[in-house]
Amino acid sequence: EAEVAQSPRYKITEKSQAVAFWCDPISGHATLYWYRQILGQGPELLVQFQDESVVDDSQLPKDRFSAERLKGVDSTLKIQPAELGDSAMYLCASSNNRDRGRLTINTEAFFGQGTRLTVV
Amino acid sequence: GENVEQHPSTLSVQEGDSAVIKCTYSDSASNYFPWYKQELGKGPQLIIDIRSNVGEKKDQRIAVTLNKTAKHFSLHITETQPEDSAVYFCAASTPSQKVTFGIGTKLQVIP
Repeated sequence: EAEVAQSPRYKITEKSQAVAFWCDPISGHATLYWYRQILGQGPELLVQFQDESVVDDSQLPKDRFSAERLKGVDSTLKIQPAELGDSAMYLCASSNNRDRGRLTINTEAFFGQGTRLTVV
Repeated sequence: GENVEQHPSTLSVQEGDSAVIKCTYSDSASNYFPWYKQELGKGPQLIIDIRSNVGEKKDQRIAVTLNKTAKHFSLHITETQPEDSAVYFCAASTPSQKVTFGIGTKLQVIP
């Protein structure tokens, strides 16, 4: 069964350092999401890609966070510099909302296992 | 933007009893409402979803209802089993595919 792959699973970094997370969505999925999930809360959208284009990054703290999906396939989320408050689970998800080249109605988003970030 | 409220935040039921989780949303443009189950250390996994043109959907022990007028939707789990213990999230998605999650409900099924 196809899965969304994320790496690393766990990351410990010191504050002010740079950190990067990688996501490989399910093959053929046009939409890719990065979410941040603080312990005990629901996932919060950071950025949404449609192919290689950003369609929503309104909640992304752009002074320190950046995301790219250069070829419209895998994606990287970077934090520089990391702060203590960035400790959380970072989840990547993808969905297949294209049918024969046209965008279709909403479909299920498949999540990866996440990257657990601890900033010390 | 969309705001999704979910309650209760925790729920304990005896094995075999039913569990109900309720959510409300604010954006009348939302047209897709998935429910996710998240086990410890894992990403959320879809368990059931409903679209705005449907009022109710059932899949074995799980059912979801949607009231578009009142902007609320609910998850019903019947004949609960210990393996149902997890955190459940409701979500609302707009036509632009933006998905907003509720805060989650930690369900504990007591054997």
